[in-house]
Amino acid sequence: NAGVTQTPKFQVLKTGQSMTLQCAQDMNHEYMSWYRQDPGMGLRLIHYSVGAGITDQGEVPNGYNVSRSTTEDFPLRLLSAAPSQTSVYFCASRGRHTDTQYFGPGTRLTVL
Amino acid sequence: QQPVQSPQAVILREGEDAVINCSSSKALYSVHWYRQKHGEAPVFLMILLKGGEQKGHDKISASFNEKKQQSSLYLTASQLSYSGTYFCGTATGGGNKLTFGTGTQLKVEL
Repeated sequence: NAGVTQTPKFQVLKTGQSMTLQCAQDMNHEYMSWYRQDPGMGLRLIHYSVGAGITDQGEVPNGYNVSRSTTEDFPLRLLSAAPSQTSVYFCASRGRHTDTQYFGPGTRLTVL
Repeated sequence: QQPVQSPQAVILREGEDAVINCSSSKALYSVHWYRQKHGEAPVFLMILLKGGEQKGHDKISASFNEKKQQSSLYLTASQLSYSGTYFCGTATGGGNKLTFGTGTQLKVEL
């Protein structure tokens, strides 16, 4: 099993550009989440999903969109990148009846 | 609202014990503990559900006081490998919508 995979590992964008951060898991997990991590702020939930076709907003959803068309994939779209979105982004997944949430390796995004 | 973790940072000698606290102003359904090493992803340690339970494995254990909405993580006989930042994540309902604290930096020295 590959676990939770994220691409790309690093990305530099210019203000106003859009892009999609990819996240996939091969553990058949129902729950998937996107977090951003900024220095001194801990992990903040952006969007999450409890199953295919179901998504909901987290703590800091503005400027981001998600969709969950399959159980495996949970892409995060930045609509119009801003410098405030410079951060490390983590995707995570967890099975409905299990305790352990697994994190992907992260994507380090810089917006100039 | 983020749970509050204390202390913000702690330095230990190998073999010493530490306690990390996590407090919330909301009624909690569960508390999740993670450890993150520099440049890596967070790693799940344990989850505690409301009911005031205590859990542990090896020399790391945790408790959850439902009345106080507070959880504590106990690290005993610390090892160098325990170094990292510890985060608590709290949930007010079932599912997986977590709110994380700002973390406690733990450094274990020889």
